[in-house]
Amino acid sequence: GAVVSQHPSRVICKSGTSVKIECRSLDFQATTMFWYRQFPKQSLMLMATSNEGSKATYEQGVEKDKFLINHASLTLSTLTVTSAHPEDSSFYICSASSGLAGYEQYFGPGTRLTVT
Amino acid sequence: QQQVKQSPQSLIVQKGGISIINCAYENTAFDYFPWYQQFPGKGPALLIAIRPDVSEKKEGRFTISFNKSAKQFSLHIMDSQPGDSATYFCAASIEGFQKLVFGTGTRLLVSP
Repeated sequence: GAVVSQHPSRVICKSGTSVKIECRSLDFQATTMFWYRQFPKQSLMLMATSNEGSKATYEQGVEKDKFLINHASLTLSTLTVTSAHPEDSSFYICSASSGLAGYEQYFGPGTRLTVT
Repeated sequence: QQQVKQSPQSLIVQKGGISIINCAYENTAFDYFPWYQQFPGKGPALLIAIRPDVSEKKEGRFTISFNKSAKQFSLHIMDSQPGDSATYFCAASIEGFQKLVFGTGTRLLVSP
């Protein structure tokens, strides 16, 4: 159980365009979803926390207007990178928590974003 | 105070050996300590987790040792296999907040 999917797995976009990444919990209801960013050979950096039906809480230094997060249902959260630039190229990973099993977060497989 | 320090940065172990990765924290409010395994190009997967009311937890070949007074915890991989070669992250969080603070990661290579 506890499967989280992400779509797409890889995306290439041109500088200045926007790209949307979906995160779905397949077999449980996720009251909270998290979005992370990971640069090569580095740790995961939490970008924002989102609760279903509420506005996302962004970490310090993360631009809210650039990284739009929507958590419209208990199984879906989306991250939209607006006006992407090459420095936004990274590995984006979501995780989901049902809140029922304590603190366990289940991670998606990640999305590799390349901005040309 | 929110940091979790992880060592070593990289580790090479022979097949059948024991891999040991250590983490240390400062914030005594942390009360959940998971370990994640990540293969290249994939998301992290939960390996094993411990809470501070126990000093050790074992699941198969993976054991977490927890020292509350020293504010340290470690992952031991017994009988390490080439398939264990991956990056391992320790993490910590506070009850009710769920937000995980990750260590810097350890790249483990198990040589055949």
